[in-house]
Amino acid sequence: QQQVKQSPQSLIVQKGGIPIINCAYENTAFDYFPWYQQFPGKGPALLIAIRPDVSEKKEGRFTISFNKSAKQFSLHIMDSQPGDSATYFCAASNFGNEKLTFGTGTRLTIIP
Amino acid sequence: NAGVTQTPKFRVLKTGQSMTLLCAQDMNHEYMYWYRQDPGMGLRLIHYSVGEGTTAKGEVPDGYNVSRLKKQNFLLGLESAAPSQTSVYFCASSAYYEQYFGPGTRLTVT
Repeated sequence: QQQVKQSPQSLIVQKGGIPIINCAYENTAFDYFPWYQQFPGKGPALLIAIRPDVSEKKEGRFTISFNKSAKQFSLHIMDSQPGDSATYFCAASNFGNEKLTFGTGTRLTIIP
Repeated sequence: NAGVTQTPKFRVLKTGQSMTLLCAQDMNHEYMYWYRQDPGMGLRLIHYSVGEGTTAKGEVPDGYNVSRLKKQNFLLGLESAAPSQTSVYFCASSAYYEQYFGPGTRLTVT
């Protein structure tokens, strides 16, 4: 039972472009939506997170857009760089429960 | 601070053998987790713990056991390894919803 669906599975974008990764969830009790970034051979690390009381959150070149009615959220990377090449995971959890449900991941490649 | 550490980094087992993976964290976190990562499957939760002496099943617990005898350590055991358990295993700990991951253990079962 996949509660968080992530797309696309892989994405290739030219340097300076804006890759967009999308996630959809089913459980309306979810109220915390983080994105994790993973480089090859490393563990995932928290990149940015949002709660459903706002529709957008920006941290540097990374932006989460959140659509509560559609039960969807997405990650946008502005002015993408080759160093952003990594696998990105969306996730979700319920308030009071730190256990996360992860999406299946998106392998992003930024070409110079 | 070392954060979250995992031992060993790599291991090859034969079918039917047993082993224990050790996870240690020095951040005084209550919550700890074991995940497995397989291509196209993302991170799937095996077992987790909400505090010393507690454990709970995650999404894919079959074939694994865990123990949390000390707050800083979370052990994952495979009693009789199977080829389907070939994977990369990650341990994590969390506070205020942010999970901190270890570097992973690559396990191959032949």
